Amino acid sequence: AQSVAQPEDQVNVAEGNPLTVKCTYSVSGNPYLFWYVQYPNRGLQFLLKYITGDNLVKGSYGFEAEFNKSQTSFHLKKPSALVSDSALYFCAVRDGGSSASKIIFGSGTRLSIRP
Amino acid sequence: NAGVTQTPKFRILKIGQSMTLQCTQDMNHNYMYWYRQDPGMGLKLIYYSVGAGITDKGEVPNGYNVSRSTTEDFPLRLELAAPSQTSVYFCASRGLAGDHEQYFGPGTRLTVT
Repeated sequence: AQSVAQPEDQVNVAEGNPLTVKCTYSVSGNPYLFWYVQYPNRGLQFLLKYITGDNLVKGSYGFEAEFNKSQTSFHLKKPSALVSDSALYFCAVRDGGSSASKIIFGSGTRLSIRP
Repeated sequence: NAGVTQTPKFRILKIGQSMTLQCTQDMNHNYMYWYRQDPGMGLKLIYYSVGAGITDKGEVPNGYNVSRSTTEDFPLRLELAAPSQTSVYFCASRGLAGDHEQYFGPGTRLTVT
């Protein structure tokens, strides 16, 4: 069975500093990995994905994530945080070995950027 | 291109009432999903569908039913509403093969009292 863990409920960062939101996963086949962001009272918005290829993937709003197979991790990063990055972030995984497999979401990490 | 739309946006139900949450997508996506998000929590998969006429249970299907008579529509039915079903409900869809990410609707906030 596939699973994903986000070990931090909340991450607090000062504006202008780098940020990291952690994610680890478990899947039997090839992992398809995703990051989504949720702003208050809104649905989830896709940020970026790793399917295959380069371990470092770049996404929307200056975010990037690094796929690390040996550590089964897919941490979200940004070199310089903005106050507007404050939101709820979800990591998700799908088993790429099956086209019908379900995507499983982590419990979410609340990112708070202070001015 | 409207994407994924959900109606209603808000609803208050009394215990024991029933209702249908509507979800429509105009992207010709085969896969559709229903999730619930409880306050301060992540998403739990209720039901999903891999195409018209095909549905399957997710992690938390009890108390819900779905149907998929067309590619576009994936309604979620609540029978005998209970306070434990108070939540925000999100519908999502994705296409085949290379389109891996899911597209989410704006959500329906349901309160059962």
